[in-house]
Amino acid sequence: GIQVEQSPPDLILQEGANSTLRCNFSDSVNNLQWFHQNPWGQLINLFYIPSGTKQNGRLSATTVATERYSLLYISSSQTTDSGVYFCAVERFRGSRLTFGEGTQLTVNP
Amino acid sequence: DAGITQSPRHKVTETGTPVTLRCHQTENHRYMYWYRQDPGHGLRLIHYSYGVKDTDKGEVSDGYSVSRSKTEDFLLTLESATSSQTSVYFCAISDSRNTIYFGEGSWLTVV
Repeated sequence: GIQVEQSPPDLILQEGANSTLRCNFSDSVNNLQWFHQNPWGQLINLFYIPSGTKQNGRLSATTVATERYSLLYISSSQTTDSGVYFCAVERFRGSRLTFGEGTQLTVNP
Repeated sequence: DAGITQSPRHKVTETGTPVTLRCHQTENHRYMYWYRQDPGHGLRLIHYSYGVKDTDKGEVSDGYSVSRSKTEDFLLTLESATSSQTSVYFCAISDSRNTIYFGEGSWLTVV
């Protein structure tokens, strides 16, 4: 099956710093999504981004499908950004999402 | 708010007992999923449903069964709970674009 690798596995920032999270995948995909899991366990869908670039407030994401990677940018980080960020991909419609292991982000005040 | 409700949210049960987790959606979406989340394994698909009475296995389906008698409800049953099934269980739905939305999770402890 498709392999999904996220880096870095852990990241510690001071409030106000910027960061870039990376997701590499081993095969072509027709679906890529980013999720944030907050410290209370809630999973929130951030982006549906199989290709191109999207922005939502301080967060933006870029997927370069031909090179099999996606980046999640967090600018001016806040303590509420802490948690685990997951990337998930789907090879083709109906093949089901495969999740990466996640990046644990800690933002200190 | 994706309109997904899971129950119970927390449960402690004994080994060998049956357990049923319920997922209820108000979005009328066709696809529903059950995932489990464990340290070191991330999120893994247990079963999914693509319509009423239409279900299929995911990557970790052994020991689990599901049922979907109504569009809005998707039940996950552990016929005889084992300690290895201690986990956090997430229900999810997907819209027409296959964007996934998760419920709040059910914490299950099997003692």
